[in-house]
Amino acid sequence: NAGVMQNPRHLVRRRGQEARLRCSPVKGHSHVYWYRQLPEEGLKFMVYLQKENIIDESGMPKERFSAEFPKEGPSILRIQQVVRGDSAAYFCASSPLGGTEAFFGQGTRLTVV
Amino acid sequence: SQQGEEDPQALSIQEGENATMNCSYKTSINNLQWYRQNSGRGLVHLILIRSNEREKHSGRLRVTLDTSKKSSSLLITASRAADTASYFCATETSGGSNYKLTFGKGTLLTVNP
Repeated sequence: NAGVMQNPRHLVRRRGQEARLRCSPVKGHSHVYWYRQLPEEGLKFMVYLQKENIIDESGMPKERFSAEFPKEGPSILRIQQVVRGDSAAYFCASSPLGGTEAFFGQGTRLTVV
Repeated sequence: SQQGEEDPQALSIQEGENATMNCSYKTSINNLQWYRQNSGRGLVHLILIRSNEREKHSGRLRVTLDTSKKSSSLLITASRAADTASYFCATETSGGSNYKLTFGKGTLLTVNP
């Protein structure tokens, strides 16, 4: 019974490139959350998706960032034209429905050089 | 804005002592959850307390919730060196189908052997 799987674990991109972060939720979970964590800080909410729908993207920058959770396949967080300030750990979490605990992946550490 | 705020930011104790961490929040919630994060790793769910509950226990963990004061506390009894980690509270709010988890900045707990 696999938990939340994120890949890659580490990603290095040059400024201006695109970063694609993947998250496979726990099997059967239809709620996915993406968070960003800077060093020594807490998790900042980015986006909340349910299957094929974006429910809340209030924490995601309107430019360069997008997220999807298709009917089949993993959830994808895409960052276009990355800048140094995008360097952070990005965590994905899933839950079976609202009002229950969220299961977290190990995160993707993005470094923009 | 940050929904949950943990206090203190950092706590250092000796093995065997109890550790108490507090969390305050601003808006009405469905539930409040506590998570643990070891350095550089994903978050692990510890305990969930619903808005109509006042106290909950799980092993050496005791969580209280005071909705009138919009605050919660996490008590770890008989601490061990392995409890060294960052601890985050997260509040779940809902509006329609939007079950949003918002994290505080965390308390860094160091348990000295």
